[in-house]
Amino acid sequence: DAGVTQSPTHLIKTRGQQVTLRCSPKSGHDTVSWYQQALGQGPQFIFQYYEEEERQRGNFPDRFSGHQFPNYSSELNVNALLLGDSALYLCASSLLGGPSTDTQYFGPGTRLTVL
Amino acid sequence: GEDVEQSLFLSVREGDSSVINCTYTDSSSTYLYWYKQEPGAGLQLLTYIFSNMDMKQDQRLTVLLNKKDKHLSLRIADTQTGDSAIYFCAERQHMEYGNKLVFGAGTILRVKS
Repeated sequence: DAGVTQSPTHLIKTRGQQVTLRCSPKSGHDTVSWYQQALGQGPQFIFQYYEEEERQRGNFPDRFSGHQFPNYSSELNVNALLLGDSALYLCASSLLGGPSTDTQYFGPGTRLTVL
Repeated sequence: GEDVEQSLFLSVREGDSSVINCTYTDSSSTYLYWYKQEPGAGLQLLTYIFSNMDMKQDQRLTVLLNKKDKHLSLRIADTQTGDSAIYFCAERQHMEYGNKLVFGAGTILRVKS
């Protein structure tokens, strides 16, 4: 049973560029959440997708956007990159109302460095 | 506020017990989680507890919950060098159309052989 997968593993961009990160959820899961983890900090919630729609959003600017596809995979897009966007981006999947009651399982993350 | 707070660092000897502490904020019924993060890796779910429970045990892990004080602890018995990692406490908070996890800053556990 494949867990949550993310690509790419590492990414280096320059200020002002745009980036797309990808996530495939754990088999059987239908909900994807994205988190940003800055160095030395705990993950911060960006947004959550279910049924191809953004259900809820954290305190992140509109430069952060996302998408969920019919197969439940998801993308995170960040426009006009800033140095402060450098972080580990984590994707988590869960099953809405499932036996584990929305327990979120995390992928290995994508390390984004903005120069 | 929505802060979850943890002690920042813990050092123990191999074979000893480790206790990592956390305080959370939401007074309503919720789930509380412990995740482990090794260097350069994602988060591994260790265990979780619902807020109407006092204790949960899973092999070497014991979670204690004091709902009155909003205090959560994770005890690792017979700590091994492979337990060295960052441990995150997380609280599931309900939002209008879904839920999110709110994390503490993490506790660095160092196990000395």
